[in-house]
Amino acid sequence: GAGVSQSPSNKVTEKGKDVELRCDPISGHTALYWYRQSLGQGLEFLIYFQGNSAPDKSGLPSDRFSAERTGGSVSTLTIQRTQQEDSAVYLCASSADRSGYNEQFFGPGTRLTVL
Amino acid sequence: AQSVTQLGSHVSVSEGALVLLRCNYSSSVPPYLFWYVQYPNQGLQLLLKYTTGATLVKGINGFEAEFKKSETSFHLTKPSAHMSDAAEYFCAVRPTGNQFYFGTGTSLTVIP
Repeated sequence: GAGVSQSPSNKVTEKGKDVELRCDPISGHTALYWYRQSLGQGLEFLIYFQGNSAPDKSGLPSDRFSAERTGGSVSTLTIQRTQQEDSAVYLCASSADRSGYNEQFFGPGTRLTVL
Repeated sequence: AQSVTQLGSHVSVSEGALVLLRCNYSSSVPPYLFWYVQYPNQGLQLLLKYTTGATLVKGINGFEAEFKKSETSFHLTKPSAHMSDAAEYFCAVRPTGNQFYFGTGTSLTVIP
């Protein structure tokens, strides 16, 4: 079956523009995570969705970042008024449940470059 | 605060030599522990995980890791390195709640 997909794979934008990054999780996976991977850094947790519960937004770095998940499936991460420090690879992962027992399946990421 | 420390951002080993990648964590409760591998231009994939039970866990491609609670460590080992093992390796912990905490990664180079 299909894995986690993300689009676009690469995005170059100008400072101050808004961007939307898309994640299609594995069908049936109720948990969805967004991470940011900056050069030389580990994965930074951004936001977590579990089913119809309110998302855990505790990792979002500023109010310029937001995310939604429609119908418990596809998720969109939006960054408003992008800054150069937003340049990173944005990773999405999905998991079969919230327990943490089951592994996260990662997408290939979206490489965002803010000029 | 939770944290994951991977000692050595770059590790080089000769082909056939022992691979040892270190991971230490801070957690107030016994966590779930994971190692992920990221091959060049690919997404992260799970190597192995510890949740409960036996503290020595075996993963794919001949890797294994041992959970040592007293040392708060979860080091990754492989007896004999192969050229195909060259990749970035990430240790991760999930104490409680929703968040996974990842280390900064260790880049493994295998020298022929």
